Amino acid sequence: GEDVEQSLFLSVREGDSSVINCTYTDSSSTYLYWYKQEPGAGLQLLTYIFSNMDMKQDQRLTVLLNKKDKHLSLRIADTQTGDSAIYFCADGVDTGRRALTFGSGTRLQVQP
Amino acid sequence: AAGVIQSPRHLIKEKRETATLKCYPIPRHDTVYWYQQGPGQDPQFLISFYEKMQSDKGSIPDRFSAQQFSDYHSELNMSSLELGDSALYFCASSLGGRWSDTQYFGPGTRLTVL
Repeated sequence: GEDVEQSLFLSVREGDSSVINCTYTDSSSTYLYWYKQEPGAGLQLLTYIFSNMDMKQDQRLTVLLNKKDKHLSLRIADTQTGDSAIYFCADGVDTGRRALTFGSGTRLQVQP
Repeated sequence: AAGVIQSPRHLIKEKRETATLKCYPIPRHDTVYWYQQGPGQDPQFLISFYEKMQSDKGSIPDRFSAQQFSDYHSELNMSSLELGDSALYFCASSLGGRWSDTQYFGPGTRLTVL
């Protein structure tokens, strides 16, 4: 089955850029998602990218996809303390399954 | 904008009891997914429904069952609860039922089994 991996922890200073990385194993992955989870809260969809794209930008968020290396990254520009949360990448595979496979999540800590 | 509603938000049960979790999808969404997130874990897919029919099945224990009703809300029934069932249970909904349709998550139900 597919596997999605992320580094567990990232600490940055307010105002800096944050880069959260994710790798996946299934070459059939066609849609890749980034979700944000604040403490005790649900999963908030941040953005997604289709596998025929290399990059997608949405305000402070930039998603980069290297399909050859099966590597996905989320860059948050001008990181704020309100960005502190756990960030999950998830992939959707074109095999008819309707479930997402999540990575283990990266805890982003933003220091003032 | 309306979001996915889950009830109850918190639930405490004893071992071997039963629990029912409810999910109300975003209006007009026809697909519902259930995920289980253990402490410090990533969400794991349990089961999904499209147009009131089970569409996919993940790591759902036999002690659990679920269904989607005519108004598209869904219920997850959990019996013979075990300590290991303590987790955050998320419901997500989408429109269309395809794997590529964006899933929007509810706030979750936190189940504690004592």
